[in-house]
Amino acid sequence: EAGVTQFPSHSVIEKGQTVTLRCDPISGHDNLYWYRRVMGKEIKFLLHFVKESKQDESGMPNNRFLAERTGGTYSTLKVQPAELEDSGVYFCASSQERTGPPSAKNIQYFGAGTRLSVL
Amino acid sequence: AQSVTQLGSHVSVSEGALVLLRCNYSSSVPPYLFWYVQYPNQGLQLLLKYTTGATLVKGINGFEAEFKKSETSFHLTKPSAHMSDAAEYFCALRSSYKLIFGSGTRLLVRP
Repeated sequence: EAGVTQFPSHSVIEKGQTVTLRCDPISGHDNLYWYRRVMGKEIKFLLHFVKESKQDESGMPNNRFLAERTGGTYSTLKVQPAELEDSGVYFCASSQERTGPPSAKNIQYFGAGTRLSVL
Repeated sequence: AQSVTQLGSHVSVSEGALVLLRCNYSSSVPPYLFWYVQYPNQGLQLLLKYTTGATLVKGINGFEAEFKKSETSFHLTKPSAHMSDAAEYFCALRSSYKLIFGSGTRLLVRP
């Protein structure tokens, strides 16, 4: 079974440009999360989807960030326009909360992340 | 507010020595706690989790952690370090659906 896939693995852009990150969750996982780790800091929650609905976007830093999950499958996170402080590693995770074996519940499975560098 | 504190951003041990990575949490409700590991150039991998029940939790690669409510701790241990354990380790607390992470501890294993 394929894990959480993120694309691209690295992105280098200039300040003011737009970047779109993509996340493909584990098949059948209704819950999808975005997190970010800025250099030297802890990993911080950005937002949570259940299927195509945003359940919690309390961690989104500002309105330059837009996340979508059309059709409840893959998700995109767009940063427009990018600023220097947006540099970091963006992680996506998915989970299955309501169905599946008990051992798999409450577990978020993470992708390898997208390293974003804004110059 | 819920929070996670990991003591020591870097821990260095000799190969074969005990590994102890510290994690303390703050939570007003019974916590769900996790340890994740990130190997170089890879994503976060779940090592182990505590939800309810047995307070000593065994994970992958010989790691285990003990939930101590009285100490609000969830320290990660491994009896004998291996070179392949060199990685960054994250303790996390579940808050509603989201995870609250500690700042991470980078484990260095000396030959």
